[in-house]
Amino acid sequence: GQNIDQPTEMTATEGAIVQINCTYQTSGFNGLFWYQQHAGEAPTFLSYNVLDGLEEKGRFSSFLSRSKGYSYLLLKELQMKDSASYLCAYGSSNTGKLIFGQGTTLQVKP
Amino acid sequence: DSGVTQTPKHLITATGQRVTLRCSPRSGDLSVYWYQQSLDQGLQFLIQYYNGEERAKGNILERFSAQQFPDLHSELNLSSLELGDSALYFCASSVSSYNEQFFGPGTRLTVL
Repeated sequence: GQNIDQPTEMTATEGAIVQINCTYQTSGFNGLFWYQQHAGEAPTFLSYNVLDGLEEKGRFSSFLSRSKGYSYLLLKELQMKDSASYLCAYGSSNTGKLIFGQGTTLQVKP
Repeated sequence: DSGVTQTPKHLITATGQRVTLRCSPRSGDLSVYWYQQSLDQGLQFLIQYYNGEERAKGNILERFSAQQFPDLHSELNLSSLELGDSALYFCASSVSSYNEQFFGPGTRLTVL
């Protein structure tokens, strides 16, 4: 199957930390991707995990556990501009195509 | 700016018509992907080309077709358009099938 799940909406406060979870089930896997998408705009690449563990990139970090089919995106020191949709996707091991979750809409409040 | 270009930015047409969406990948990228994003479906993979050849197909309707040309640009053809085809269509490119994909700005298609 090609199931991938993430929360629909989250709200957090400016300056805080938020964790967006993603779970997936697939028979073929070639890494877990996170993208940010502002309304009406193109998704922009944030991070890629292919091995278990934490990848840190500035204010953003992403974690992967392949055995649990689980990933999270951690956003620190939230800014108003971080209000966006965050898309979790796994790569197909056969072709590299991305299978996306529905996205998590994050609202950052002052 | 991802380096991926798409034209046109907006397209308004009537049911039953045919349209062509165009995509130019980033310089050096051999893989091109097409995705459809509608409000109720999220981002859905349609089709992938690698160096001119079809590599994978997703939930692409028979009314839709695509191709990648020798200069690596790609076109997505949508025919016999229906109201439900109204969506954002994104093109993405990557160096190979196993690298991050970079998305173009999208074409917003409205079928009236």
